Amino acid sequence: LAKTTQPISMDSYEGQEVNITCSHNNIATNDYITWYQQFPSQGPRFIIQGYKTKVTNEVASLFIPADRKSSTLSLPRVSLSDTAVYYCLVGGWNTGFQKLVFGTGTRLLVSP
Amino acid sequence: DVKVTQSSRYLVKRTGEKVFLECVQDMDHENMFWYRQDPGLGLRLIYFSYDVKMKEKGDIPEGYSVSREKKERFSLILESASTNQTSMYLCASRPGQGITPLHFGNGTRLTVT
Repeated sequence: LAKTTQPISMDSYEGQEVNITCSHNNIATNDYITWYQQFPSQGPRFIIQGYKTKVTNEVASLFIPADRKSSTLSLPRVSLSDTAVYYCLVGGWNTGFQKLVFGTGTRLLVSP
Repeated sequence: DVKVTQSSRYLVKRTGEKVFLECVQDMDHENMFWYRQDPGLGLRLIYFSYDVKMKEKGDIPEGYSVSREKKERFSLILESASTNQTSMYLCASRPGQGITPLHFGNGTRLTVT
């Protein structure tokens, strides 16, 4: 299973764009990259998923370079409510069962 | 919307007790998971199940067992609770096919004294 490496923590201010990068040097051909968000006292919540290039939804964008050895979660114009822990996961979903590994995540603190 | 429900938000048990943590999902998902979450260690997979009566060990299965008698319900069992099993326990589910995310419950915070 591909291991991921993320910064332990990041600080930002309201209204700024935040980019969190995840390294996954041994990503496999069939692996997808998925990001989750977790607030205190809640389970993680799916944010975005991608395989290559760029994916955008109403919450975030995910940038994946051609070699796929890293990915960047981009949160536009963060607010205080974006303060959370963000997890990057790499794994194959295609068929059957796939065991996923969560790292320790990136703790994002957004200040006024 | 998918709902994963964990029966208790908080539990306090004594060392040596047998503890049952229950999880129910309402979307007919084939796969169900139990994780524990500890400060500085992230989420670690204890056990998972890909079908009724089927189970696989995760990364830290020691001291735990699981039961899946019905598709919607996945139980985590601490055969003899110990203080080092004090933790936040999270249940998740996902469909068996396709590229789909995990859906998590809100967790059970277990304290073993």
